[in-house]
Amino acid sequence: QVQLQESGPGLVKPSETLSLTCTVSGGSISTYYWSWIRQPPGKGLEWIGYIHYSGSTDYNPSLKSRVTISVDTSKNQFSLKMSSVTTADTAVYYCVRGQPVTRSYYFDCWGQGTLVTVSS
Amino acid sequence: EIVLTQSPGTLSLSPGERATLSCRASQSISSSYLAWYQQKPGQAPRLLIYGASSRATGIPDRFSGSGSGTDFTLTISRLEPEDFAVYYCQQYANSPWTFGQGTKVEIK
Repeated sequence: QVQLQESGPGLVKPSETLSLTCTVSGGSISTYYWSWIRQPPGKGLEWIGYIHYSGSTDYNPSLKSRVTISVDTSKNQFSLKMSSVTTADTAVYYCVRGQPVTRSYYFDCWGQGTLVTVSS
Repeated sequence: EIVLTQSPGTLSLSPGERATLSCRASQSISSSYLAWYQQKPGQAPRLLIYGASSRATGIPDRFSGSGSGTDFTLTISRLEPEDFAVYYCQQYANSPWTFGQGTKVEIK
């Protein structure tokens, strides 16, 4: 059974770059879509963006100027970089697998999430 | 972007009762690309329903989804103690993918 595990710093300073990696185990990173989703404390869910194993990407327009998602198929990992962070970026960040359907995908497997706090 | 509005915000029910959760979209969701997730405190969301009405692997049949176009419903036929949680709907028809604000099902 596939498992996803987020890793990266839990504390980032304002104006710096947030960097997270998701390691996929128990299955191949190929075929699927891989997303990052975040949830500020006590609030709802926000899709950040996705990458396909082929390298194609799509980002939420609200974050597009600050976000880059990349994939390393040799390591079965994908990563998130978010620049110029502010306290509004404090959230639990989830890496999530997208199960393909015609022209889209739904989120069928989630990592446990990692809390990233933006604070000086 | 498609805005999803869930109602009610909170549902107070007793175990054994039926729960009906609503999700309304700001525009029609093509191909019924609407999913439902359950989230318990301190846990990641879990997929319950995709394609508006298809249950995900391992989901009990007391959970059912219905609807099309702009109006969708998640029904829990008889609430079990482990069903008290927050439920989110999400559309994957038009990018950016968006979520509703959630409905909390709490013990009455």
